[in-house]
Amino acid sequence: ELKVEQNPLFLSMQEGKNYTIYCNYSTTSDRLYWYRQDPGKSLESLFVLLSNGAVKQEGRLMASLDTKARLSTLHITAAVHDLSATYFCAVVPYSGGGADGLTFGKGTHLIIQP
Amino acid sequence: KAGVTQTPRYLIKTRGQQVTLSCSPISGHRSVSWYQQTPGQGLQFLFEYFSETQRNKGNFPGRFSGRQFSNSRSEMNVSTLELGDSALYLCASSLYPVGSYEQYFGPGTRLTVT
Repeated sequence: ELKVEQNPLFLSMQEGKNYTIYCNYSTTSDRLYWYRQDPGKSLESLFVLLSNGAVKQEGRLMASLDTKARLSTLHITAAVHDLSATYFCAVVPYSGGGADGLTFGKGTHLIIQP
Repeated sequence: KAGVTQTPRYLIKTRGQQVTLSCSPISGHRSVSWYQQTPGQGLQFLFEYFSETQRNKGNFPGRFSGRQFSNSRSEMNVSTLELGDSALYLCASSLYPVGSYEQYFGPGTRLTVT
């Protein structure tokens, strides 16, 4: 059974600081997604990482994927209050062409304080 | 381009009743997936439909069922509702089956079972 672990689950940080959220998964996969969710809202797609070594950046967020270590990171640079949200990573297990749906981590609740 | 729409947005039902939720994917998208989000269990995959066929199903009882129509719209049905079925139900659409394509989530249907 695929397990996806995020850490930390809760993060309070100050504006202007840098931090990294980690996403570990337990089985072979080369397809990983990052989502953002604001309170009471749906999921907003941030990044889709489809190969080992993939790195994507959008504004102050940068995501990377290391399939050998089964690890993805979401790095926040010079955080601003608007980035306060819950961030989820999700993995599709490798099934030789099939697809088993996304398995999500528990989410990282991020609060950025002025 | 219109996004994913879900109806109804909010629903209150009584234990033992049944409920049908609807999801209209982004125009041109042929894959629809359903997820349940609860505070305790987080985000869990229910099932995925592609071209009117269920491709995969998560670990949920048979009370949860779905279907997809020729226009790619999907419905999800829950029979004999239980208190534990109270959740936010999200559907997501993508061009092709989950795995290599970005999934776009709808606003969700919040179901409360009393």
